[in-house]
Amino acid sequence: DIQMTQSPSSLSASVGDTVSITCRASQDIYNSLDWFQQKPGKPPKLLLAAASRLTNGVPSRFSGRRSGTDYTLTVSNLQPEDSASYYCQQFYRVPFTFGQGTKLEIK
Amino acid sequence: QIQVEQSGPAVKEFGASVKLSCKTSGFTFTKSAVQWVRQARGEGLEWIGRIVVGTGNTDVAQKFHDRVTITRDMSTDTVHMELSTLTSEDTGVYYCAAVTASDWFLWDYWGQGALVTVSS
Repeated sequence: DIQMTQSPSSLSASVGDTVSITCRASQDIYNSLDWFQQKPGKPPKLLLAAASRLTNGVPSRFSGRRSGTDYTLTVSNLQPEDSASYYCQQFYRVPFTFGQGTKLEIK
Repeated sequence: QIQVEQSGPAVKEFGASVKLSCKTSGFTFTKSAVQWVRQARGEGLEWIGRIVVGTGNTDVAQKFHDRVTITRDMSTDTVHMELSTLTSEDTGVYYCAAVTASDWFLWDYWGQGALVTVSS
């Protein structure tokens, strides 16, 4: 199975800050990765598809990039509504494993 | 527009089975895939399996492979997932999500989730 190691597990930042979350794949997954945002009691919401493609309605404050087997989600100019958990999921090979998740708190 | 509607909550006893449904609309069902994901309270997302609707081919995580069956009903554009031999560790919210052939990375269509509670 492809392991997705996500870090950090939690972070706290202020409105206007920029934060980054990283998922490291245990092998090359060739950009086959999505990023999701999840708020309590809600299903995950797709933010970025294929590592860096912003999906409809998602603010441009969210961006994604790849460096080797590292995939990074960056959220710029943090807003209060960005408080949520964030997950990566790889779709290169089944099982389509998730990262462990990152809980983002806005101070 | 695309919609994904899941069946309601279920309460089951230890050792029983649960069958969840995921009804889709707004896209060509035969050109799609559906995955199932679960989340225990306060925990992360766990992949269970997926079905490629057109072929009926399924893949299930090794952890569940002998307990999970994923099927599709072409007459109602619905995917079902049955989980057998339930234990307390199966308590959680189960989500289905769909992707269409127009973009196999766009897992943008999620059901609302179904709470499964397993108790004695």
